[in-house]
Amino acid sequence: DADVTQTPRNRITKTGKRIMLECSQTKGHDRMYWYRQDPGLGLRLIYYSFDVKDINKGEISDGYSVSRQAQAKFSLSLESAIPNQTALYFCATSDRGGHKGGADTQYFGPGTRLTVL
Amino acid sequence: DQQVKQNSPSLSVQEGRISILNCDYTNSMFDYFLWYKKYPAEGPTFLISISSIKDKNEDGRFTVFLNKSAKHLSLHIVPSQPGDSAVYFCAAKDSGAGSYQLTFGKGTKLSVIP
Repeated sequence: DADVTQTPRNRITKTGKRIMLECSQTKGHDRMYWYRQDPGLGLRLIYYSFDVKDINKGEISDGYSVSRQAQAKFSLSLESAIPNQTALYFCATSDRGGHKGGADTQYFGPGTRLTVL
Repeated sequence: DQQVKQNSPSLSVQEGRISILNCDYTNSMFDYFLWYKKYPAEGPTFLISISSIKDKNEDGRFTVFLNKSAKHLSLHIVPSQPGDSAVYFCAAKDSGAGSYQLTFGKGTKLSVIP
């Protein structure tokens, strides 16, 4: 079983609709992240959470909200989707202590492809 | 302004030869650097990392070199195999910022030709 799962894997929606993307992890990590990837732009951080009570905005949080329902679950919401939110969305997790040397490696889910018409 | 730059969108290499992927950064506060590999329809997977206190880290066929004065790092894959064909992302982190955010480059698509 995958350590980081995302649902749905693909979603097509219309402008103005509310959408929720869900992420679950079995790695026991405290930290969770949401990124979006656009063609030719790499990955950009939307929100991150260090624990259930700690939510932080990333580089591109406008138009998005998140909820950390439990240590293992982190959901991303688009309250009113717009076409320029069409992208590939990735959830990631990392351990509190990081690895030797402190690289704080992040582990990614398989992604959700979202299309807003 | 892009803080992590991968100036080569794509690279083709013959199987068995060396692949060299390059990455430049502008933020002198970055102190950890990571390489991720991404296959189509999958999430990025961690490949190798290096701390700014080192200039080389090796793991099997993969070696990362860091040149702090030039703000440049490179990933060497020797020998290259067809299964290495993927998009490679360079990422960097400023641990002192406390946010644990990774800043990613745009990626380089590596094609290893059999």
